[in-house]
Amino acid sequence: GDSVTQMEGPVTLSEEAFLTKNCTYTATEYPSLFWYVQYPGEGLQLLLKATKADDKGSNKGFEATYRKETTSFHLEKGSVQVSDSAVYFCALISGGATNKLIFGTGTLLAVQP
Amino acid sequence: DAGVTQSPTHLIKTRGQQVTLRCSPISGHKSVSWYQQVLGQGPQFIFQYYEKEERGRGNFPDRFSARQFPNYSSELNVNALLLGDSALYLCASSFRWDTNTDTQYFGPGTRLTVL
Repeated sequence: GDSVTQMEGPVTLSEEAFLTKNCTYTATEYPSLFWYVQYPGEGLQLLLKATKADDKGSNKGFEATYRKETTSFHLEKGSVQVSDSAVYFCALISGGATNKLIFGTGTLLAVQP
Repeated sequence: DAGVTQSPTHLIKTRGQQVTLRCSPISGHKSVSWYQQVLGQGPQFIFQYYEKEERGRGNFPDRFSARQFPNYSSELNVNALLLGDSALYLCASSFRWDTNTDTQYFGPGTRLTVL
């Protein structure tokens, strides 16, 4: 079945460091791809999305490009802030008549001043 | 505009009891989905409703049930609670249910603890 893989464990960065979070997917039909963020004690917020190959989603300095050839949707930010500390989830919705989200396991980011 | 709201915020139950969680979608949204997020994992899809009809069901036992009301709010019911049902239950709303490009907006969740 469809799935999302986030292999990284918790990451600690210093403020203004470069961030990259890997995400790869498996889907039987052409999916849409998403990054959601979960701040401590809160629900999920959509960070960015891309609905077709080569699309770049961007928001709040974060970017991710839909790479169909490598089935990837890696998240990047050039300079992280303490306020970016959160859990980041990569997710997909497969093609067809559905909007069921399939999430990866999430990766924790801690940013230190 | 109000976002997705959920109640209660926290809930503590004992094994074997029953629980009802509530969700109000964003105004104008007709689709509501429920997800279970166990600590340290990504959310897992439980149910989706659109216009009061069930449109999708995840791999959860029959102890889990849901419904949607004419005002598009929704309830999730869990019977015969088990310790493993302890989780954050998230509700999400969207305009449609049948497209993968429509953004889903999540509520803050209900934290259920089963003792």
